[in-house]
Amino acid sequence: GAVVSQHPSWVICKSGTSVKIECRSLDFQATTMFWYRQFPKQSLMLMATSNEGSKATYEQGVEKDKFLINHASLTLSTLTVTSAHPEDSSFYICSASRPGSDEQYFGPGTRLTVT
Amino acid sequence: QQQVKQSPQSLIVQKGGISIINCAYENTAFDYFPWYQQFPGKGPALLIAIRPDVSEKKEGRFTISFNKSAKQFSLHIMDSQPGDSATYFCAAASGGYQKVTFGIGTKLQVIP
Repeated sequence: GAVVSQHPSWVICKSGTSVKIECRSLDFQATTMFWYRQFPKQSLMLMATSNEGSKATYEQGVEKDKFLINHASLTLSTLTVTSAHPEDSSFYICSASRPGSDEQYFGPGTRLTVT
Repeated sequence: QQQVKQSPQSLIVQKGGISIINCAYENTAFDYFPWYQQFPGKGPALLIAIRPDVSEKKEGRFTISFNKSAKQFSLHIMDSQPGDSATYFCAAASGGYQKVTFGIGTKLQVIP
């Protein structure tokens, strides 16, 4: 159990456009979901924490107007990269946690390339 | 400020050998220390985790050693196999483990 999926697994978009990434908890209800980005050969950096039905909490230095997070249900969170630029190209990973568990369950990641 | 320091950044071990990755933390509020394994193009997966009330935890070939007074912990992979080749991240969390801080990662290569 505790499977997290992401869609799409990879996406290429043109500079200036917006792209939406979905994160779903498939077999559990996720009280909290997290969004990370990871540059090549680097660690995961937390971007934001989202709880179902409330506004996301963004980490320092993350532009909330650029990275829109919606946590509409207990099984779905979305990250929209607005007006994407080449420097937004990265590996975006979500994770989810459930009540009573220490663990965060990570999705497989989404590779975003902005041309 | 790097709250979780990890070393080495890369490691080459012969098949059957022991892989050792070290981490140190600064924030004494951390009370949960997971290790993650990540293969290229994939999300990280929990490997093993420890809380500071124990000094060692073993699961199969993977062992965490924890030194609370030194604020250090390490991962030992016994009988390393080529399939263990991946990037390993140590991490730390506190207060319900909702916010995890990752180390920089160690790229492990196990050669036959």
